[in-house]
Amino acid sequence: AQSVTQPDIHITVSEGASLELRCNYSYGATPYLFWYVQSPGQGLQLLLKYFSGDTLVQGIKGFEAEFKRSQSSFNLRKPSVHWSDAAEYFCAVGARLSSSKLTFGTGTRLQVTL
Amino acid sequence: GAVVSQHPSWVICKSGTSVKIECRSLDFQATTMFWYRQFPKQSLMLMATSNEGSKATYEQGVEKDKFLINHASLTLSTLTVTSAHPEDSSFYICSARVPGANVLTFGAGSRLTVL
Repeated sequence: AQSVTQPDIHITVSEGASLELRCNYSYGATPYLFWYVQSPGQGLQLLLKYFSGDTLVQGIKGFEAEFKRSQSSFNLRKPSVHWSDAAEYFCAVGARLSSSKLTFGTGTRLQVTL
Repeated sequence: GAVVSQHPSWVICKSGTSVKIECRSLDFQATTMFWYRQFPKQSLMLMATSNEGSKATYEQGVEKDKFLINHASLTLSTLTVTSAHPEDSSFYICSARVPGANVLTFGAGSRLTVL
């Protein structure tokens, strides 16, 4: 069975500082990997996805993520965080043949201090 | 871009009543939609897969008779929480796969509070 682990429940960074949110997955084959962001009381917005090819993927809002097969990781990064980035971030994994069915991690809440 | 709309965004009901939540794909057709449930400060848990013109597929542990799903058209899926109780209070989110792309578009969610 596929699973996703986000080891950091809550992270606080200063505005302008760099950010890395960790995500580890467990899946028997090559997975489809996603990062979503959720603002309070809102649905999820897709930040970026990885299916194949270049292991460093660029997303919206200046986010990027790197797929490392050897570490079963797909960490999300941003060079300089803005106060508006404060939200809940979810990593998700889907099966290659049916990526519509996603398994989500428990999320990381990002707080940005001014 | 592909948009999924949910209605209502929030609802409060009395225990024992039924509540219907609608999920619409506004600018694309969705033969399959997905219903998730999110408890406070927790992740999304897939409840069921809604299939247009056929029965929904429920995940293990989800009560079919409690959470009725109907996917009557290519743009509308509904989730009815029957005989709601306080423990059914949660944030319900639907999603649909964008045709031609292996990504899901999510609705803004519906917060249900059962008194």
